[in-house]
Amino acid sequence: GDSVTQTEGPVTVSESESLIINCTYSATSIAYPNLFWYVRYPGEGLQLLLKVITAGQKGSSRGFEATYNKETTSFHLQKASVQESDSAVYYCALGAYNAGAKLTFGGGTRLTVRP
Amino acid sequence: DAGVTQTPRHEVAEKGQTIILKCEPVSGHNDLFWYRQTKIQGLELLSYFRSKSLMEDGGAFKDRFKAEMLNSSFSTLKIQPTEPKDSAVYLCASGRGNTEVFFGKGTRLTVV
Repeated sequence: GDSVTQTEGPVTVSESESLIINCTYSATSIAYPNLFWYVRYPGEGLQLLLKVITAGQKGSSRGFEATYNKETTSFHLQKASVQESDSAVYYCALGAYNAGAKLTFGGGTRLTVRP
Repeated sequence: DAGVTQTPRHEVAEKGQTIILKCEPVSGHNDLFWYRQTKIQGLELLSYFRSKSLMEDGGAFKDRFKAEMLNSSFSTLKIQPTEPKDSAVYLCASGRGNTEVFFGKGTRLTVV
């Protein structure tokens, strides 16, 4: 079946440091998977951070970036300089085109940014 | 602008009880999903409806879990009977085709 593996948390970094949360995937039932990063801020619902539907492309949002690498089956999330407000739980996910929220999620990575 | 509304936000049940969780999707969305979130398993798909028709019911959860969508603006997830291992956050999400999906804030269920 399909699966997503991401950096196990918790991850703690200081404000203005760089961040990378690793994500690798295995898509056995989907020929052309779409890749997503979702984020859940404290007290909020899960929300889409960024998505990329084409291999080789990069998605970006709120200073975060992730590149869809089909060769290494990876979709790592990076940010050059984190802020305290980035403290949240991050989920990598994959899904088929037009499958909406029918997604396979990674286990989530809790990020804490120290002021 | 209403997002996905889930009620209640917290539920405490005794082992063996029946509980019903509720979800109101975003108006106009025709896809609705129920997920269970635990620290160990992460997010697991329980049920998936498209235009009120059940598309998937998450095999391992068929036994005591039943999701229904009697109309396009309301869905329920019934757990009967509850067991302590059902303690988790239950998330509802809605979407339309390949547009952005919206998640509710979830219902935290504790079974004692």
